[in-house]
Parts: sequence; C-alpha cells; structure tokens
Amino acid sequence: DVKVTQSSRYLVKRTGEKVFLECVQDMDHENMFWYRQDPGLGLRLIYFSYDVKMKEKGDIPEGYSVSREKKERFSLILESASTNQTSMYLCASSLLQGAAETQYFGPGTRLLVL
Amino acid sequence: SQQGEEDPQALSIQEGENATMNCSYKTSINNLQWYRQNSGRGLVHLILIRSNEREKHSGRLRVTLDTSKKSSSLLITASRAADTASYFCATDAWEYGNKLVFGAGTILRVKS
Repeated sequence: DVKVTQSSRYLVKRTGEKVFLECVQDMDHENMFWYRQDPGLGLRLIYFSYDVKMKEKGDIPEGYSVSREKKERFSLILESASTNQTSMYLCASSLLQGAAETQYFGPGTRLLVL
Repeated sequence: SQQGEEDPQALSIQEGENATMNCSYKTSINNLQWYRQNSGRGLVHLILIRSNEREKHSGRLRVTLDTSKKSSSLLITASRAADTASYFCATDAWEYGNKLVFGAGTILRVKS
C-alpha cells in the first residue's frame, strides 16, 4: 500500500514564524502535491512537483514556498505565518503525470497560527 | 465558484438506506474522480469515471456521468455507519492543466 506521511498532525505557531510542513511518500511516486482545505471551499492546490527540484504554482501559492530535494520528500514552507494561513494542509502523491492518476493523501496537518 | 460543486452540502440518512450525492461542473472534462474523507483524515480515492463512460460500479458504489448535463452522481447502496464521511468529486479538464480540481464536498452522516 502507498503510504504518505506528514510530519505533524497538529501544529500551533505564532504570527511571523517560519513554518515547515514535511511530507514523505514511500512508493517512488513522480508527483507530489500540497493542498489546503478550508470549510466550504474544498481542497485548493498550493504547489505541486513533477520531479526532483521541480515545482509549479497551484491556485493559491502566495505566502508559501516548497522544496523537493529528494523524490520521496516534498516540503511546504510558510515564510512568515499569518492567521489567514490557519487551515488543514494535505499532502498527496501520484505515480505518473496526469490528472487522471489517483492521488494518495497523507493524514493532514492541522495548523493554527496565533 | 468552483469547477465541481457537490449537492447536497450535507445528508443524513438511516443505516441501510441509499445515499445519493451529486456533482456538477462547468467545463468539459477528461475524467471525474470521487474521494472520501473520514473526519480529520486525508482523502481516499473511491472511483474514477472517464468522459466516455456513463456508469461504473465498485462494490456498493455506483457512479454515473452525464456529460451533456455536466454532472455526476455517486450512489452508496445499503449504507453503513462506517460510510459517515465527506465525499468529494474532483475533475480533470484541459482548461485546468494537469491538475485535479476538487469540489467543496458533501457531508454524509449515516445513523445507526
């Protein structure tokens, strides 16, 4: 079974802090994604990556950056956390390129920015 | 508003009843997927239906796709308490590049 793990289930940070969310997948998947999930808005894509050291902006990249130094690891960085970044963050991976591919999700990180 | 929108927003049924959730979308799609999310967890893929398919089954799940109406439905038959979750449709369309676009979801509660 594909396993996608996220470094923390819950995080509490203060405004202005730099926040790192880590995601690791163990199935040699090419693609990795970061979403945020807010009530009534569904999942919104922040960034995605089709290869090591490659990244592409999603629909809401402002205030975020990403890093993919190794194939299995995709990190989301909040450069200076703000209260409007309080949300559930979901990482996902898929085997090949293409939106027809099934995405496998991690359990999520619920981030609270005070 | 979003590419995919689920209806109803919330649904409460008794165990053993059928649950139907609908998804409408705006642009022509290549395929549509349904995902389930248990409370506070990640999403789990349920089923994918391609634009040239009209119906697919997987266990107690039945998905239909009507491209002329730009809509899909997910039917869960003989529901169980364990089916309590949020259900999301996600669309793949040329207009949105190589990305899945998720709807806001339907919250299903199955009472035992």
